[in-house]
Parts: sequence; C-alpha cells; structure tokens
Amino acid sequence: GAVVSQHPSWVICKSGTSVKIECRSLDFQATTMFWYRQFPKQSLMLMATSNEGSKATYEQGVEKDKFLINHASLTLSTLTVTSAHPEDSSFYICSARDFRWQGIVKNIQYFGAGTRLSVL
Amino acid sequence: RKEVEQDPGPFNVPEGATVAFNCTYSNSASQSFFWYRQDCRKEPKLLMSVYSSGNEDGRFTAQLNRASQYISLLIRDSKLSDSATYLCVVNNAGNMLTFGGGTRLMVKP
Repeated sequence: GAVVSQHPSWVICKSGTSVKIECRSLDFQATTMFWYRQFPKQSLMLMATSNEGSKATYEQGVEKDKFLINHASLTLSTLTVTSAHPEDSSFYICSARDFRWQGIVKNIQYFGAGTRLSVL
Repeated sequence: RKEVEQDPGPFNVPEGATVAFNCTYSNSASQSFFWYRQDCRKEPKLLMSVYSSGNEDGRFTAQLNRASQYISLLIRDSKLSDSATYLCVVNNAGNMLTFGGGTRLMVKP
C-alpha cells in the first residue's frame, strides 16, 4: 500500500532555531501534499497545501514566512519552522494524496508518522 | 457550526460490546467520506472509506446518509485494541479533507 515517510519523528530545539521537516511519498507521486498541526486533545488543523512546482497555499491565520514550505519534487515536500518559539511546540503531520483508484475511491490521503516538535 | 461534528466521547465499553459513532457534516456538496483511526501520539490511519450504499469490513460497518448529512461507524465485538480516537473525515470540492474533532473509544476488559 501507499506509504508516506516523515522525518524526523521528534525534535527538541532551543528557541530561535529553525527546524526542517521532510515528507516523502515512497511508492507514488504526490503532486499535492498537506501539512497539519495537532495540539494535545485537539483535532488536526490544516496549515497549508503544498503543490509541486508552485507556491504553497496557506490557511487563514498561518504565517507563510514562519512556516516555509517547499515541494520541489513529486515525492518530497518540506516544512521549515523558522525561528521556532515555545508556542510552536506541537505535533506536525504531513499527508500526501494518492490520485490512483483504490477500489471505487480515489484521492485517498495517507499520513506520515508525524513530527513532535518541542521548543525550549 | 463546525463543518464536521462528532461527539468527543469518551465511549467506555466492555470487550465484546457493539458501539456506534455518528458524525454530521454541513457541506451538502461534500464528495467522499472516510473514517480514520488515530492512536495516542500517532498519525491518523485510514480505517475505511464510506460508500453511498454502505460498506462493511470485518467487524466495522460504515453508513452514509446524504439526505441527513451524517455518517456512522459501527464496531461489533469490540476488542481492547479498538481503543483509539476515531476521526470522521469529509472530502469537499477541491479535494480538501476536513476532520471532525474525533470520538474517543475506550474498550475495557
């Protein structure tokens, strides 16, 4: 089945550090990937849609200069949290959309394992 | 009103019980529907897609009612390993997934 790899799984960093998270689709090409953030006991909140070869589309309230997204190839999107602060500590999850038919359904999104970011 | 609403629970049930979750969505143009399962501190994993005619996968049955705009998930013969948060997910025009807040299930011995 489709697999999405996300790396690193856990980051602890000092305030002011920039952190880069990678998301790769391993056995399919993903022209569209998504970045979510999840705070404890809350649901996933979409941060941005990452489009291969073009600029990301950010959700309202998400600072594009703070969360830099690069989708340079059909299998890789990166999220860089610039100058991270303690309030950026969260669980960041990427997903990739598989456009292939899976039975009678297509466009299923598969998730990476997530990155737990702790900013001290 | 939230786009996708779920009862957060928790639902505490004994092993072997049957439990049902409902989810309502507000966008009548929504195109496809899914149930995902999320374990604590893990990523969501696709449990099953929800088809218009309803579908079953082992102990799990999903139903869709477009007229009333709700989706249900039925779990029969609950196992301890079914304990998780179940996320109702709606795919709208533009292929954007919208997540419900999740329903937490605790299966007790």
